[in-house]
Amino acid sequence: EPEVTQTPSHQVTQMGQEVILRCVPISNHLYFYWYRQILGQKVEFLVSFYNNEISEKSEIFDDQFSVERPDGSNFTLKIRSTKLEDSAMYFCASSTGTATVNSPLHFGNGTRLTVT
Amino acid sequence: AQTVTQSQPEMSVQEAETVTLSCTYDTSENNYYLFWYKQPPSRQMILVIRQEAYKQQNATENRFSVNFQKAAKSFSLKISDSQLGDTAMYFCAFMKPTGNQFYFGTGTSLTVIP
Repeated sequence: EPEVTQTPSHQVTQMGQEVILRCVPISNHLYFYWYRQILGQKVEFLVSFYNNEISEKSEIFDDQFSVERPDGSNFTLKIRSTKLEDSAMYFCASSTGTATVNSPLHFGNGTRLTVT
Repeated sequence: AQTVTQSQPEMSVQEAETVTLSCTYDTSENNYYLFWYKQPPSRQMILVIRQEAYKQQNATENRFSVNFQKAAKSFSLKISDSQLGDTAMYFCAFMKPTGNQFYFGTGTSLTVIP
C-alpha cells in the first residue's frame, strides 16, 4: 500500500536556525497537510495545501512557517528561525480530494524536531 | 469552534477482552465526519474507522466498531477481541464537511496486556 514518507525521522537544530522538513505524499493525492504534536499533547493542524497554494492555515502557522511543493513529488515545511517551543513531532498527510470520510488523511511517520 | 474531548488518558485491557474508548465533541454543525486514528509506537497515524454524521448506522471495521450518539455528541470506539498489536495511542478526530482541518482529541493510550 502506498505510504506518505517523511525525512528525516529526527532533526536537531539550534534555536534561530532554519529547518526544512520534507515529505513525499502519496502520488495520486492532491491535498497536502502539516500537523504537529507537541510531546504529550494533541495533534494540531498547521496548514493545508492544494493546487500550489495554501487553502487553510491555523493561528500556529505564522510568518515563521512556509510550505512549498518544489517539484512533482516533495512537499516541504520550512521554519525560518526556530524557537524552543517549535520542538514537536511534525506529521505530513495527504488525501485524494477534499478530506471527507471517503478520502481521509494518510499520515507519514513524522519528523521529530528538537530545538536546543 | 470545534472541540474534541477524550476523557481517558490511559486505559488497559486484557488480551481477547473488549474495551471501549470514549470521545465527545462539541459543534454547531449538523453534518460532519468523525474518525478514530491509531498511533502505534512506530508513530504513524493510521485510520481505524470513520463515520458520517448523517448516517445513523454505526460504522464497523472487523474488530472495531463505534457507538455514535449524535444527540449526545458522543463517538466511542469499541475494540473487540483485543490483540497485542492494538497497543497504541488512539485519537478521535472531527472534521467539518467544508474545509480540510481535522480537530483531534488529546488521545487515549491503550495497553493490551497479555
